[in-house]
Amino acid sequence: SQTIHQWPATLVQPVGSPLSLECTVEGTSNPNLYWYRQAAGRGLQLLFYSVGIGQISSEVPQNLSASRPQDRQFILSSKKLLLSDSGFYLCAWTLRVRTGELFFGEGSRLTVL
Amino acid sequence: GENVEQHPSTLSVQEGDSAVIKCTYSDSASNYFPWYKQELGKRPQLIIDIRSNVGEKKDQRIAVTLNKTAKHFSLHITETQPEDSAVYFCAASKEGGSQGNLIFGKGTKLSVKP
Repeated sequence: SQTIHQWPATLVQPVGSPLSLECTVEGTSNPNLYWYRQAAGRGLQLLFYSVGIGQISSEVPQNLSASRPQDRQFILSSKKLLLSDSGFYLCAWTLRVRTGELFFGEGSRLTVL
Repeated sequence: GENVEQHPSTLSVQEGDSAVIKCTYSDSASNYFPWYKQELGKRPQLIIDIRSNVGEKKDQRIAVTLNKTAKHFSLHITETQPEDSAVYFCAASKEGGSQGNLIFGKGTKLSVKP
């Protein structure tokens, strides 16, 4: 069966510090991978998606970046965090072949102080 | 691009009553419409979905209806229970490859009062 792991679960970072959130998927190959942000406990905003190694598409301009160094690994980064980067970050995957259920990781709660 | 509007943002019902959440979408090419439930502090999970080749789908106490002409779809929960309390998200996407990215509504916080 497929599983998705995301870490760290929570982190508190000062403004201007770097960020690295990691996500890995097991039990499947060639998944589409996504990073979503959920601010104020509500809406899900798509930040990045990837259809393959090294292929990253950004949905919104921001000081975040994403990378996919391996087929089942997706990383969200920032060189300098802003207060507005606080939120709940969710990694997700789906099968590439056909749109279907999006499987979410357990999320990473980021607080920028 | 696709835009999904969801209403209401909050909904409070008595246990046993029905709850209805409505969404509209902008891209007539969208053909996949899932609903996700997110309990407090947890990840969103799929509860039901519908594709544009059907108008209604039901799974026990939950059902989804789709009106392609009007570009809206709705979630219906009957005989609500306290454990139905959560945030519900609708979403829309087009089938296939990089175009199959779900665009979510802003969510509806459902509270079921015992």
